[in-house]
Amino acid sequence: NAGVTQTPKFRVLKTGQSMTLLCAQDMNHEYMYWYRQDPGMGLRLIHYSVGEGTTAKGEVPDGYNVSRLKKQNFLLGLESAAPSQTSVYFCASRTGQGNTEAFFGQGTRLTVV
Amino acid sequence: AQSVTQLGSHVSVSEGALVLLRCNYSSSVPPYLFWYVQYPNQGLQLLLKYTSAATLVKGINGFEAEFKKSETSFHLTKPSAHMSDAAEYFCAVSETSGGTSYGKLTFGQGTILTVHP
Repeated sequence: NAGVTQTPKFRVLKTGQSMTLLCAQDMNHEYMYWYRQDPGMGLRLIHYSVGEGTTAKGEVPDGYNVSRLKKQNFLLGLESAAPSQTSVYFCASRTGQGNTEAFFGQGTRLTVV
Repeated sequence: AQSVTQLGSHVSVSEGALVLLRCNYSSSVPPYLFWYVQYPNQGLQLLLKYTSAATLVKGINGFEAEFKKSETSFHLTKPSAHMSDAAEYFCAVSETSGGTSYGKLTFGQGTILTVHP
């Protein structure tokens, strides 16, 4: 079972460069999320989506954009990377019903130099 | 707004000793509560969750947690630590009311558990 797959797993960017992180889930989940993990701060929500074609801002959305053109995919974009965006990014998904848990991808370690 | 506090960023125990990881939350209504574990260079894996059915929740790998509304706590315990329990543990909450939280999680800062032989 693939579950939640993130691409790429590692990336180094120069300041000002752009990139897109891809998240794909094969569980037919309605809800998808992007979090960033920084030491001592836990995980913080960047953006989320409650269905195909919908997106919403989370706690720390500045500098990021997202798209959910297909139900199974949730893309996170950095238009102009900054060193403050050096982090580990996690995608998660869950069903839209009840209190089910979120399933997480393996993470993308991004370094902006 | 919800918040989650994990007391102690690092906890060190000996193999076979009791593991206690503390989590307190702040929420206007009793939330849904979760404990996740993260092994090095991996994603987060659910240990257990509280959904109001029972205050004592049993999870995987021998872990359990007790929901105490009066103390707004959801501490994680394991009677006997194993070397394989070394990881980072996260407590998280999501709102229950109105369905508008969309399952968004608010995480604590994380606790790194070290297990000594």
